Amino acid sequence: AQKITQTQPGMFVQEKEAVTLDCTYDTSDQSYGLFWYKQPSSGEMIFLIYQGSYDEQNATEGRYSLNFQKARKSANLVISASQLGDSAMYFCAMRIRLDTNAGKSTFGDGTTLTVKP
Amino acid sequence: DAGVIQSPRHEVTEMGQEVTLRCKPISGHNSLFWYRQTMMRGLELLIYFNNNVPIDDSGMPEDRFSAKMPNASFSTLKIQPSEPRDSAVYFCASSLGGAGDTQYFGPGTRLTVL
Repeated sequence: AQKITQTQPGMFVQEKEAVTLDCTYDTSDQSYGLFWYKQPSSGEMIFLIYQGSYDEQNATEGRYSLNFQKARKSANLVISASQLGDSAMYFCAMRIRLDTNAGKSTFGDGTTLTVKP
Repeated sequence: DAGVIQSPRHEVTEMGQEVTLRCKPISGHNSLFWYRQTMMRGLELLIYFNNNVPIDDSGMPEDRFSAKMPNASFSTLKIQPSEPRDSAVYFCASSLGGAGDTQYFGPGTRLTVL
């Protein structure tokens, strides 16, 4: 069975600095996708970034980048130039069997990020 | 473009009552997902549909929970009878389907069962 592990329950970062949120995953499938979502205190889930298992380059979306290390099964989220509005819960997720429409999704327990002014 | 729409946003009910949560996915999306989020268990996938067909309902807690998707633009999650331990935030999400699809979440329904 697939599993997502986020080992940091809480993280603090100074405004304008970069921060890395850790995510490791476990699956025997070769075709999978890794996702990061942000959940602010208002409760909605916001998609941030996606990395496919066959993608050779790390995904980037604005200030977000995904440090994908396939051999180590890690997919860490890097947020550059942190802003106060980045304070939220961040979830790492994985979807397997992307070559079918029957892929399952698994979410980690989340990391609470607090950006200090 | 309208995102995923869920209703109601908040629901307070008494134990034993029937609760129906509604979801309208993003137009053109082929997959729909129902999740439950609690402090104790985190985010759990309850069921997902592809092209209106339930693909996997192994996450549905018990027979009190049922979900339907009568057409591509509407889905319901029903709890009958409801219990206090069902109190949670229920999210609906949709995706285009296929490789690399991203799930876009609705705002959630906060359910409180007294």
